[in-house]
Amino acid sequence: EDKVVQSPLSLVVHEGDTVTLNCSYEVTNFRSLLWYKQEKKAPTFLFMLTSSGIEKKSGRLSSILDKKELFSILNITATQTGDSAVYLCAVLSNSGYALNFGKGTSLLVTP
Amino acid sequence: GAVVSQHPSWVICKSGTSVKIECRSLDFQATTMFWYRQFPKQSLMLMATSNEGSKATYEQGVEKDKFLINHASLTLSTLTVTSAHPEDSSFYICSARRTEPLNTEAFFGQGTRLTVV
Repeated sequence: EDKVVQSPLSLVVHEGDTVTLNCSYEVTNFRSLLWYKQEKKAPTFLFMLTSSGIEKKSGRLSSILDKKELFSILNITATQTGDSAVYLCAVLSNSGYALNFGKGTSLLVTP
Repeated sequence: GAVVSQHPSWVICKSGTSVKIECRSLDFQATTMFWYRQFPKQSLMLMATSNEGSKATYEQGVEKDKFLINHASLTLSTLTVTSAHPEDSSFYICSARRTEPLNTEAFFGQGTRLTVV
């Protein structure tokens, strides 16, 4: 059975801190790994990672995938209160079109 | 970017009634859509995969007769919660991906907060 495990499950930091969120996976016929940010409603797409070692960056957020060790990290630098959200990691396999989600990391950034 | 629209965003219904939730892909054709359920402080759990023109594929433990899915066109899938009970209260989210190319992100609807009283 496919597994996606995120850590930590929750995190509280101060504004300006840098955070690293982890996602490990065990998936048959891995295709890609995706990161989403979920605030009050539906998740919004952040990154899709398919190849190992290639960092994807968007502003203060960046992510990288290690297909050998089967994990990905999501980094957020100079955190702001607006970064407070649940960050979801999901994996897509060749066996289907549905995303398999981890439980998420709940991030709270305090002023 | 692609947009998926879900309606209604929230609904309150009486126990025993049925509720229909619509999911539309606005600027691409989605032969496959997905329905997720999310309980408070938990992740998204896949309920079923909706296939245009054929029967939906349900995940283990999801009652087919309770959660009726219809995918009659390439841009619309509906989820009907039949004979709703308070334990069906949850956040339901639909998702759609382009069929091609293979590696594309999933787009999510706004979600529907269902409360059964």
